[in-house]
Amino acid sequence: TQLLEQSPQFLSIQEGENLTVYCNSSSVFSSLQWYRQEPGEGPVLLVTVVTGGEVKKLKRLTFQFGDARKDSSLHITAAQPGDTGLYLCAGEVAGGTSYGKLTFGQGTILTVHP
Amino acid sequence: GAGVSQSPSNKVTEKGKDVELRCDPISGHTALYWYRQRLGQGLEFLIYFQGNSAPDKSGLPSDRFSAERTGESVSTLTIQRTQQEDSAVYLCASSITGRTEAFFGQGTRLTVV
Repeated sequence: TQLLEQSPQFLSIQEGENLTVYCNSSSVFSSLQWYRQEPGEGPVLLVTVVTGGEVKKLKRLTFQFGDARKDSSLHITAAQPGDTGLYLCAGEVAGGTSYGKLTFGQGTILTVHP
Repeated sequence: GAGVSQSPSNKVTEKGKDVELRCDPISGHTALYWYRQRLGQGLEFLIYFQGNSAPDKSGLPSDRFSAERTGESVSTLTIQRTQQEDSAVYLCASSITGRTEAFFGQGTRLTVV
């Protein structure tokens, strides 16, 4: 059982479309991060959200942390082929037994076709 | 170094052999993670080191897998008696305290033939 459930697992869309990726848990997180991984590379941090209800924007990407700090979403507007990659959410469980340990979701593989 | 360094970048080994994978974290980073990533899949947690605390080994898939880290320095992941299902990219990441941004190496691609 995944502590962080990401959906969808795979997403294939056309350039210009909008999309949303979800990251859900039954646990409360102290903070939540989103990473993107391109082929042959390690994941790279996109954003960190720490406050329930927080919304952060990074150009065409909008990240939201749920009010209860149990879920998050990543919305991409007008997707481009350069957005193709694996998107991962990661968080630290509040009050977890392993101090500071980041738990990763299983990822969403996004393919944007020209 | 400027980032997390992993070696070797590629490793081909015969089934049944032991392999050692190395990770050099960013200097000063107390937290270090090992993950496994199969082709086209997400990250599978293996082990987490945080300073001098006992490591969180809850993700190690079998007793053939082990990892060591001395202090806040280099870590090695050892896989004994490799099996074909061990073929994957093994990623290492480090972070300042564990709860902050994790910086990843480029991984070691392990192929067991």
